[in-house]
Amino acid sequence: GAVVSQHPSRVICKSGTSVKIECRSLDFQATTMFWYRQFPKKSLMLMATSNEGSKATYEQGVEKDKFLINHASLTLSTLTVTSAHPEDSSFYICSARDPSGGGTTGELFFGEGSRLTVL
Amino acid sequence: SQQGEEDPQALSIQEGENATMNCSYKTSINNLQWYRQNSGRGLVHLILIRSNEREKHSGRLRVTLDTSKKSSSLLITASRAADTASYFCASIRQAGTALIFGKGTTLSVSS
Repeated sequence: GAVVSQHPSRVICKSGTSVKIECRSLDFQATTMFWYRQFPKKSLMLMATSNEGSKATYEQGVEKDKFLINHASLTLSTLTVTSAHPEDSSFYICSARDPSGGGTTGELFFGEGSRLTVL
Repeated sequence: SQQGEEDPQALSIQEGENATMNCSYKTSINNLQWYRQNSGRGLVHLILIRSNEREKHSGRLRVTLDTSKKSSSLLITASRAADTASYFCASIRQAGTALIFGKGTTLSVSS
């Protein structure tokens, strides 16, 4: 199946710094990628939809200035957590849909997630 | 916002037993999907059932869908310790948009 790669898998940073997480579709082109956040023992909460070549669409309650999303190419989307604070510590997961494998109703392929710890 | 509500939230069984997880959703759907997540990992797609289907099988997995009750169930037969994971139902709000996930069921299979 399609592969989505996410990097880094773990990152620890100090409060006030910014952290960038990359999400790549390795064997398909994704005009749209999705970013989720997951708290321990909780479900995935959709943060935003990343659109190649245009601005991301954020879910209600998600601060766009805090979570910067850039979808610069058809295979790469980045999430930057700016001025990170301990409450931003979480598991962030990206996903993408392979348009050749299921179109608009098909399955999503997920990265392995990035665990962010802010000290 | 979350689309689905799974129950039970946690399920502990012995190897060889069957595990049944239920999911209820709120809005109309085009299809409903089930995913599995091992602890601290990404999600793996298990099975998709379309709104005009009532039951679907894939190996040891059996999924049912009742659109009149807005509910679905996932049955794992002859469970193994390796089935230990969290299971989520999910659906899309509109074509081409993101999946919205339920709260999940954490399954623990002991040998």
